[in-house]
Amino acid sequence: QKEVEQNSGPLSVPEGAIASLNCTYSDRGSQSFFWYRQYSGKSPELIMFIYSNGDKEDGRFTAQLNKASQYVSLLIRDSQPSDSATYLCAVNIAGSSNTGKLIFGQGTTLQVKP
Amino acid sequence: NAGVTQTPKFRILKIGQSMTLQCAQDMNHNYMYWYRQDPGMGLKLIYYSVGAGITDKGEVPNGYNVSRSTTEDFPLRLELAAPSQTSVYFCASRQNNEQFFGPGTRLTVL
Repeated sequence: QKEVEQNSGPLSVPEGAIASLNCTYSDRGSQSFFWYRQYSGKSPELIMFIYSNGDKEDGRFTAQLNKASQYVSLLIRDSQPSDSATYLCAVNIAGSSNTGKLIFGQGTTLQVKP
Repeated sequence: NAGVTQTPKFRILKIGQSMTLQCAQDMNHNYMYWYRQDPGMGLKLIYYSVGAGITDKGEVPNGYNVSRSTTEDFPLRLELAAPSQTSVYFCASRQNNEQFFGPGTRLTVL
């Protein structure tokens, strides 16, 4: 069974620190990797996606992908209290890139303390 | 644009009752999805659609049905509600790589 694993946390970091969120996946054929942020009681919203090995930066966010290790991470620099949320890792199902079907991890709760 | 809208926001059902969760989008997206999210968990795909008239099962389709008669609407039908269907249901539509989620429907089956 295809799986996406995340540490549920909570991960607590002080304001201004770097938060590191990690995700592993089981399907070696997966090609696309997504990070969603979900505030309590709200719907998920896309932060960024990554396809290629290496790093992808967008503002304070950096996604890192290592396909050989089946590992994807999200770094949040200069963490702010407004970053406190649950971060969901999602991976496309191999062979289903046309349909956009995703498998989600259970999410990591991040708490940024002022 | 209203984006993705869902109704109702909350609903309590008795065991064995049926209901339809409504989902609509005004972005002319072909791809639409229904997910459920149990407390402290990620999202599980129930059904999806790649266009009007075309639907297919996701990871957890049992106990649900869908239809897609128009591009805009993608209702989810629950037949014979069970306590295991207590969850938050999210509808989403997709353009390119991004899925846009509706605000969700919180369903309790007692």
